[in-house]
Amino acid sequence: DTEVTQTPKHLVMGMTNKKSLKCEQHMGHRAMYWYKQKAKKPPELMFVYSYEKLSINESVPSRFSPECPNSSLLNLHLHALQPEDSALYLCASSQAPPNTEAFFGQGTRLTVV
Amino acid sequence: GQQVMQIPQYQHVQEGEDFTTYCNSSTTLSNIQWYKQRPGGHPVFLIQLVKSGEVKKQKRLTFQFGEAKKNSSLHITATQTTDVGTYFCAGAGGTSYGKLTFGQGTILTVHP
Repeated sequence: DTEVTQTPKHLVMGMTNKKSLKCEQHMGHRAMYWYKQKAKKPPELMFVYSYEKLSINESVPSRFSPECPNSSLLNLHLHALQPEDSALYLCASSQAPPNTEAFFGQGTRLTVV
Repeated sequence: GQQVMQIPQYQHVQEGEDFTTYCNSSTTLSNIQWYKQRPGGHPVFLIQLVKSGEVKKQKRLTFQFGEAKKNSSLHITATQTTDVGTYFCAGAGGTSYGKLTFGQGTILTVHP
């Protein structure tokens, strides 16, 4: 299984809502990532987990809260988002150490209204 | 911090023409990776280059890593309509362990 599965595929949420994005991989990868991608722009790294520990936080606002419950799962908890947070959120995984081939999920298209 | 510049931003070609995109890093990289993202899709890994001066080929695609490990290129020979998409380079290295820095991407359009 060489897939990274993200749910939901689409999400519309209000600025006062709390929601979570989920990501799952069964490739035995020990590095997992959250990226944010705006239209016609490259993916921007948000967080890196290595062996289930947060190793990189790219100064992401606290309204985004990552969680890695186990080596296969990665969540991104969303709270009090702004319309400018609307984007494609991509999860990826790779072998540890990081910086090897990354497998991306199909992404969650998030719209904040 | 580490920056990776990629040019051109857009490239329109006729089917059968060649295509090249270039990446330059502000710092020496430990490796560089290339990804392709189809319209509406997600990035898909193409290749990783690690060694100085490395050249790798995948069918019509040729990837190069510069001697100083600060630049790279992707060349597609005789483009096909299936080559349409955005090609990103992504550099890793230095003190940014675990961090891939993506170039801005080159959006390739192939006219039949």
